[in-house]
Amino acid sequence: DAGITQSPRHKVTETGTPVTLRCHQTENHRYMYWYRQDPGHGLRLIHYSYGVKDTDKGEVSDGYSVSRSKTEDFLLTLESATSSQTSVYFCAISERGGRTGELFFGEGSRLTVL
Amino acid sequence: SQELEQSPQSLIVQEGKNLTINCTSSKTLYGLYWYKQKYGEGLIFLMMLQKGGEEKSHEKITAKLDEKKQQSSLHITASQPSHAGIYLCGADLSGNTPLVFGKGTRLSVIA
Repeated sequence: DAGITQSPRHKVTETGTPVTLRCHQTENHRYMYWYRQDPGHGLRLIHYSYGVKDTDKGEVSDGYSVSRSKTEDFLLTLESATSSQTSVYFCAISERGGRTGELFFGEGSRLTVL
Repeated sequence: SQELEQSPQSLIVQEGKNLTINCTSSKTLYGLYWYKQKYGEGLIFLMMLQKGGEEKSHEKITAKLDEKKQQSSLHITASQPSHAGIYLCGADLSGNTPLVFGKGTRLSVIA
């Protein structure tokens, strides 16, 4: 199994509070991704990183920011959580980008915003 | 993503029966990936297809990519309870961009 750890795995928070999800990898892969999974929408890309301090927006990036100061860590921050951000968040990594790189996924972080 | 349409959305089959899941796009699929997700868990990579007409098999699961590279199918032969879960297709639609995913197909296998 790919060495990907997400934390926390479960979190309940209140509207308006900041939340940070962490993704840690031990594979030294260049690419890291944050997806959210919601019923009826499937898996949607939030942000991704193609190197340290190199990030780009995905399909549903509004309300989220990311940071990658080290190869192994990719942080997803909700500056002010809203109920619409209740979801299961998945981190993924790949050695190569795009069509040449399969993704390895973490176990997911379930976030509930009350 | 609506750029990738999966069908059916859900499927209930009797153990031992064959089944097929489809993944269709109006765009060229530069790389097509099949994943399986057990309920409440992460996604597990199954297979990757890149060339038109390509077909790969692993145990009782076969995936194909059509010649036009706009449709893929996942076929399970003699289904077992262990095949139950959510199957997702993911694809690179632009040549070197992060994968977009279909909404998934929920498979239940009953005895």
